[in-house]
Amino acid sequence: DAGVIQSPRHEVTEMGQEVTLRCKPISGHNSLFWYRQTMMRGLELLIYFNNNVPIDDSGMPEDRFSAKMPNASFSTLKIQPSEPRDSAVYFCASSFPLLGTGELFFGEGSRLTVL
Amino acid sequence: AQSVSQHNHHVILSEAASLELGCNYSYGGTVNLFWYVQYPGQHLQLLLKYFSGDPLVKGIKGFEAEFIKSKFSFNLRKPSVQWSDTAEYFCAVANSGNTGKLIFGQGTTLQVKP
Repeated sequence: DAGVIQSPRHEVTEMGQEVTLRCKPISGHNSLFWYRQTMMRGLELLIYFNNNVPIDDSGMPEDRFSAKMPNASFSTLKIQPSEPRDSAVYFCASSFPLLGTGELFFGEGSRLTVL
Repeated sequence: AQSVSQHNHHVILSEAASLELGCNYSYGGTVNLFWYVQYPGQHLQLLLKYFSGDPLVKGIKGFEAEFIKSKFSFNLRKPSVQWSDTAEYFCAVANSGNTGKLIFGQGTTLQVKP
């Protein structure tokens, strides 16, 4: 089975540019999570969706960040405008909450560098 | 608010040494507990998990963890580490009534010297 698929794997951009990260969750999983990983702050939950609906976006750092999940098989995380401090690895993860286990399945991550 | 604390940020061991990584969480309700591992350049993978029952859980690659409810702890252990265990290890907690929102600790980097 295909796992969580993220794109791009690497992105280098200049400050002020718009960045869009994409995620395809595992088929049948109806919860999707966006995490950010940095050396300083570790793994931070940015936002998560259940059945395509944003449930908790309290981790989204600023209005520059936005996330959407237009359907069960696709989500985007957008940063506009990007800043150097946004440089991090962004992980998408999915789960099937009805199992009651809380186990997350992670994608390979998108490494973002903002110059 | 829930939080997870991993006391060891960087651990260096020689092969065949025993490993114990500490993890404490703060949450008063029923929780599910996890250890994830991230090998260099890779994504996070589940190492083991605890939901209920026997507080000593065994995971992949010889790892185990013990849930001590009175201490709010879920320490990870391995009797004899290998060079291939070099990775970053994350403890995580989820409210068992929640829909899968995991809170992660800061992570512990384990370096195993051959």
